[in-house]
Amino acid sequence: GENVEQHPSTLSVQEGDSAVIKCTYSDSASNYFPWYKQELGKGPQLIIDIRSNVGEKKDQRIAVTLNKTAKHFSLHITETQPEDSAVYFCAASIVDTGFQKLVFGTGTRLLVSP
Amino acid sequence: KAGVTQTPRYLIKTRGQQVTLSCSPISGHRSVSWYQQTPGQGLQFLFEYFSETQRNKGNFPGRFSGRQFSNSRSEMNVSTLELGDSALYLCASSPGDRFGGETQYFGPGTRLLVL
Repeated sequence: GENVEQHPSTLSVQEGDSAVIKCTYSDSASNYFPWYKQELGKGPQLIIDIRSNVGEKKDQRIAVTLNKTAKHFSLHITETQPEDSAVYFCAASIVDTGFQKLVFGTGTRLLVSP
Repeated sequence: KAGVTQTPRYLIKTRGQQVTLSCSPISGHRSVSWYQQTPGQGLQFLFEYFSETQRNKGNFPGRFSGRQFSNSRSEMNVSTLELGDSALYLCASSPGDRFGGETQYFGPGTRLLVL
C-alpha cells in the first residue's frame, strides 16, 4: 500500500542554523506534497506545498525540493528561530478509488535552541 | 474567512460508550476529511465526505462512521469505545475538486480520552 517515510524523527539545531527534513513516498502516481507544522495543542498548519510539475519552491526561509525519479522530497528551513520549534509532517497525495487522500509521514520534532 | 472549527475540544468517555464529534469546514469548502492522530500511529486517514457522500475511506473498523450535512458540516461517530480510541481527532476541509491536488486545512482537533 501507499507509504511515506520521514526522517529524522527528532532534530535539534542551534538558532540560526539550517534544518533539513526528508521524506520518501512509494506511489509514483502521487502528485501533491504538502508540509505541515503542528504546535502543541493545535492542529497541523500548512506551511508550504509543491506539485509534481515543479522541482523546487521557496517561501522566505522555507523551501521544498522534489525529486520525482527518486520519489524524495525535502523541507529546508534556513536561519532557524526558536518559534520554528514544532512537529513537522510531510504528506503525499495518493489517488485512491479515483479520489485523492493524503498519506502522512510519521513526523519530525524540531527543537531550535537559542 | 473563519477557519475549520471542531467541537468539543476535549472529551472524556468510558469504554463501551459512544461519542459524536463535529466539524464545520471553511466557508465554501465541500470536502471534509477526518484523521486520527496518536503518538504511536501518527496521522491516520479515517474517511472523507463530499456533498453528503462518503467518497473515500481508510482502514478503520466499522465502529467509526461519519456523515455530512447539506451545509457541509460533518460529524463522526465512534461506537463501543475502546481504550485504544484515545486520540486527537482532526478534521480538514478542502474545496472538493477531484483532481486538484488539494490543500487541506485542519481544525484544532478534538482530544478524546477513553477510560
